[in-house]
Amino acid sequence: AQSVTQLGSHVSVSEGALVLLRCNYSSSVPPYLFWYVQYPNQGLQLLLKYTTGATLVKGINGFEAEFKKSETSFHLTKPSAHMSDAAEYFCAVSDARGAQKLVFGQGTRLTINP
Amino acid sequence: DAGITQSPRHKVTETGTPVTLRCHQTENHRYMYWYRQDPGHGLRLIHYSYGVKDTDKGEVSDGYSVSRSKTEDFLLTLESATSSQTSVYFCAISEVRGSYNEQFFGPGTRLTVL
Repeated sequence: AQSVTQLGSHVSVSEGALVLLRCNYSSSVPPYLFWYVQYPNQGLQLLLKYTTGATLVKGINGFEAEFKKSETSFHLTKPSAHMSDAAEYFCAVSDARGAQKLVFGQGTRLTINP
Repeated sequence: DAGITQSPRHKVTETGTPVTLRCHQTENHRYMYWYRQDPGHGLRLIHYSYGVKDTDKGEVSDGYSVSRSKTEDFLLTLESATSSQTSVYFCAISEVRGSYNEQFFGPGTRLTVL
């Protein structure tokens, strides 16, 4: 079975500061890993993904994440936070088979302080 | 825009009544999914479909049934709604992107069971 743990249900940073959202996963097969963002009262939007190949992946809005197999981690970072980054972020894992069902972490709400 | 609509967008109902939520897609995607979103739990898979009349259970399927009689429509039914089914429900489709399937989410349905 696969699972995802996001460390910290709420993260608060100042505008211009580094954003670091932590995600650890458990999977018995090579995982596909995803970060999604959800703005208030909206659906989920894919930020970035790791499937195969390069372990450092870049996504939209200046975000990136690094797949570290030895640490079973896929932390999300952004060098300089912007007010528009305030949202809820979800890490998810799937395997490569069939329906590729997603298993989500509990989410991290990011607040940006002016 | 993956052409996903959900109806209704908001619904308030009473305990014990049946409720059906509809997901409609316009692009003939094979896989469709129903998730529920609850604070502290992220999104959890209820049921999914891999074709017309082909469905399977997800992580939290108890109390829910689904049907897919046409490629474009995936219905989620609560036979007898309970207060624990108060949640935001998201439909998703997956689109093949080479080796993986990218999931796109609908706008959600907020269901309140009194």
